[in-house]
Amino acid sequence: DTEVTQTPKHLVMGMTNKKSLKCEQHMGHRAMYWYKQKAKKPPELMFVYSYEKLSINESVPSRFSPECPNSSLLNLHLHALQPEDSALYLCASSQGLAGGPRTGELFFGEGSRLTVL
Amino acid sequence: QQQVKQSPQSLIVQKGGISIINCAYENTAFDYFPWYQQFPGKGPALLIAIRPDVSEKKEGRFTISFNKSAKQFSLHIMDSQPGDSATYFCAARVAGSARQLTFGSGTQLTVLP
Repeated sequence: DTEVTQTPKHLVMGMTNKKSLKCEQHMGHRAMYWYKQKAKKPPELMFVYSYEKLSINESVPSRFSPECPNSSLLNLHLHALQPEDSALYLCASSQGLAGGPRTGELFFGEGSRLTVL
Repeated sequence: QQQVKQSPQSLIVQKGGISIINCAYENTAFDYFPWYQQFPGKGPALLIAIRPDVSEKKEGRFTISFNKSAKQFSLHIMDSQPGDSATYFCAARVAGSARQLTFGSGTQLTVLP
């Protein structure tokens, strides 16, 4: 079982809805990530948090809003999404950012499957 | 410069056979090369990883071969089993990069019983 827990596993929303994806890890990791994955494609980085501060935003549209309430939790707030935003959203964590032998090893959750109607 | 090229896109192997997936890179700043295994409906899971100062790493039936001069690395799955059927992603990391991993395009492996 993964040590990164994501909820919900499945989400269907309309283009005018507001919803949130949640991610939790209890490994003491200080870096957390959101990735987006389309079918048969590799994960694409969206956001990186390090020590609860946003470190990287990969030019993600503002209809995706990340939040890191504490070192164990990561949220992704969704608003006014488009059908093309339908994808598997993956949360990941690592001990820290890249630098040491083990700090960069990424642990992924099972993902939240999002469908935008 | 950040790209990692992976082949083949799909691979069908008989049970007991050897599965081989190849990756190539250009950026010599990469210092860590993991392979991830992803089953349908699941997130990617780290399978095995290697650093460029080692030419081969073996864990059970899974082996990474690394050729630093050719800037290539490959995953070998010995005695492939139907349970190995999954998508495999190679990846590479630049030391000190907060972006962490650059992924290959993925290989969908099917092991026939």
